[in-house]
Amino acid sequence: IAGITQAPTSQILAAGRRMTLRCTQDMRHNAMYWYRQDLGLGLRLIHYSNTAGTTGKGEVPDGYSVSRANTDDFPLTLASAVPSQTSVYFCASSRTGGSGELFFGEGSRLTVL
Amino acid sequence: RKEVEQDPGPFNVPEGATVAFNCTYSNSASQSFFWYRQDCRKEPKLLMSVYSSGNEDGRFTAQLNRASQYISLLIRDSKLSDSATYLCVVKTGGFKTIFGAGTRLFVKA
Repeated sequence: IAGITQAPTSQILAAGRRMTLRCTQDMRHNAMYWYRQDLGLGLRLIHYSNTAGTTGKGEVPDGYSVSRANTDDFPLTLASAVPSQTSVYFCASSRTGGSGELFFGEGSRLTVL
Repeated sequence: RKEVEQDPGPFNVPEGATVAFNCTYSNSASQSFFWYRQDCRKEPKLLMSVYSSGNEDGRFTAQLNRASQYISLLIRDSKLSDSATYLCVVKTGGFKTIFGAGTRLFVKA
């Protein structure tokens, strides 16, 4: 049982480059999320999707975009990466938007130079 | 002030010890409360939900104090495998889920 798969697991990127972090879930969960985790700040919500075809902004959406063309996939795109986007990115899902338990992928460690 | 605050630790305890973490939240309208566990360089995983009446799961006990706006996690008979970061999580309706920065626990032999 894969759960949530993220790719790449790690990436070093030059500032100004475009980058897409991939996220796929096989649990048929309706809601999906992207978080970033930085030391001392905890996890912060970037974007979320309540169901396929809809997306919404979280706490720190600037510089990021998402799409939800189907239930399983929720890619996160950095249009023009900046060093402040160096972080660990976690994709998560839940059965519904109001469901308490979040299931996380293993994370994508991104370094922007 | 952060919406969810935790003592970052680290807490260093010997095996078999009892250790307690507190977490305070600022929004009195918060509805649901959880503790997640995160191992080093791994993803967070749900440890337990926190109910108003308090709840227990084996060696773990969670308590909620709505009047003082804090939740707690008590770990009895600590094991080496309990070493991790414990994240306090508060939901305030809809998609507003706030994570604390975490409390690090090291259990020593």
